[in-house]
Amino acid sequence: EPEVTQTPSHQVTQMGQEVILRCVPISNHLYFYWYRQILGQKVEFLVSFYNNEISEKSEIFDDQFSVERPDGSNFTLKIRSTKLEDSAMYFCASRATGYNEQFFGPGTRLTVL
Amino acid sequence: AQSVTQLDSQVPVFEEAPVELRCNYSSSVSVYLFWYVQYPNQGLQLLLKYLSGSTLVKGINGFEAEFNKSQTSFHLRKPSVHISDTAEYFCAVSGTQGAQKLVFGQGTRLTINP
Repeated sequence: EPEVTQTPSHQVTQMGQEVILRCVPISNHLYFYWYRQILGQKVEFLVSFYNNEISEKSEIFDDQFSVERPDGSNFTLKIRSTKLEDSAMYFCASRATGYNEQFFGPGTRLTVL
Repeated sequence: AQSVTQLDSQVPVFEEAPVELRCNYSSSVSVYLFWYVQYPNQGLQLLLKYLSGSTLVKGINGFEAEFNKSQTSFHLRKPSVHISDTAEYFCAVSGTQGAQKLVFGQGTRLTINP
């Protein structure tokens, strides 16, 4: 069964450093999403991506964040200068055109020290 | 804009007992409704969804949910729970157009006691 994969599973970084979180969506899906879940809080939408551009973003997704689809399979989230409050679990999701279900990856736990 | 409220942060039940996890939503537009489950140290897995049609929807692992438009609710139920149902359960809504981003509730931690 096809699935969304994410790497790394856990990343530890120093405040101010850049991080790139990687996702491989399901191969025939065209809608991609990033969500985050701060420990003990609800899952929050960050950004959606379709047709090689951002289709919607939340207030959380400021200039420190960017997304990219560098090739035909990967979808990345970059945080340019991490803050302590960026510590969270980051989930990637993808969705096929004409369908409503988003398939989630296992997440990357980001710890900013 | 949409919002979701899960009325119970924690629900302890005994094995083989029935359970209901409550979810209310608000939205100015038509929505799709979802329940996701998160087992410890895992990602989110779709339990069931309501898109249109019959208001009672059945999902995986014996769960079902009923959409009530007048009460703006989408409560999740299971007639008899198992230890393996211990997990965090999230109710979510999305719009029916465009990006269809998911808006999640706070989650309900279901704990099954033997």
